[in-house]
Amino acid sequence: EVQVVESGGELIKAGRSLRLSCTTSGFSFGDYAMGWFRQAPGKGLEWVGFIRNKAYGEKADYAASVRGRFVISRDDSKSIAYLQMNTLKTEDTAVYYCSRVGVPGLNYFDFWGQGTLVTVSS
Amino acid sequence: QSVLTQPPSVSAAPGQKVTISCSGGTSNIGYNYVSWYQQFPGTAPRLLIYENNKRPSGIPDRFSGSKSGTSATLDITGLQTGDEADYYCGAWDSSVSWVFGGGTKLTVL
Repeated sequence: EVQVVESGGELIKAGRSLRLSCTTSGFSFGDYAMGWFRQAPGKGLEWVGFIRNKAYGEKADYAASVRGRFVISRDDSKSIAYLQMNTLKTEDTAVYYCSRVGVPGLNYFDFWGQGTLVTVSS
Repeated sequence: QSVLTQPPSVSAAPGQKVTISCSGGTSNIGYNYVSWYQQFPGTAPRLLIYENNKRPSGIPDRFSGSKSGTSATLDITGLQTGDEADYYCGAWDSSVSWVFGGGTKLTVL
């Protein structure tokens, strides 16, 4: 059974850094790209970024709203993807979701975690 | 303002059919696959349709998707009260980003 579990969310002050983890099981993690998303309170889904697998150089792409501040990485030996969030802003407050990218291509996201809440205070 | 445009809400009676539209452009829907996600309040999104019209295992055939040009639609037939949720379309955009629609709230009257 595929499982995706996010962790690391907390209440944090603006300007600080936070790292979220996405722990997975039930599939060959190294074969898949992984994506991060967020949903601000009462708002819709927003793509944050994703990281390809080793076969594609673990290249990451980011939404314009977080590019230069957020970094996605992965540890295939632990089946974990990370979202390093730097210089946090109050508008980064959201539930953050991690998802497996369906194969082939970057066409859809098939297994999602339950999310972890990040609250950025001023 | 979302790149993909969805109606904010739709409604229909139990047993009826509802269609949710998703309008984009040539940089996203026009040349890339569309997927649809269902989200109940306080829960994670769930993949409903991928690659325009394919259903993942476990998704009932009451849910179907299609794409034409720069628009896509999600059809739900035989509506049930349990279908009340938010629905999002999504697609890759050639600006090197993934884009979602703003979401559509389905109410089953």
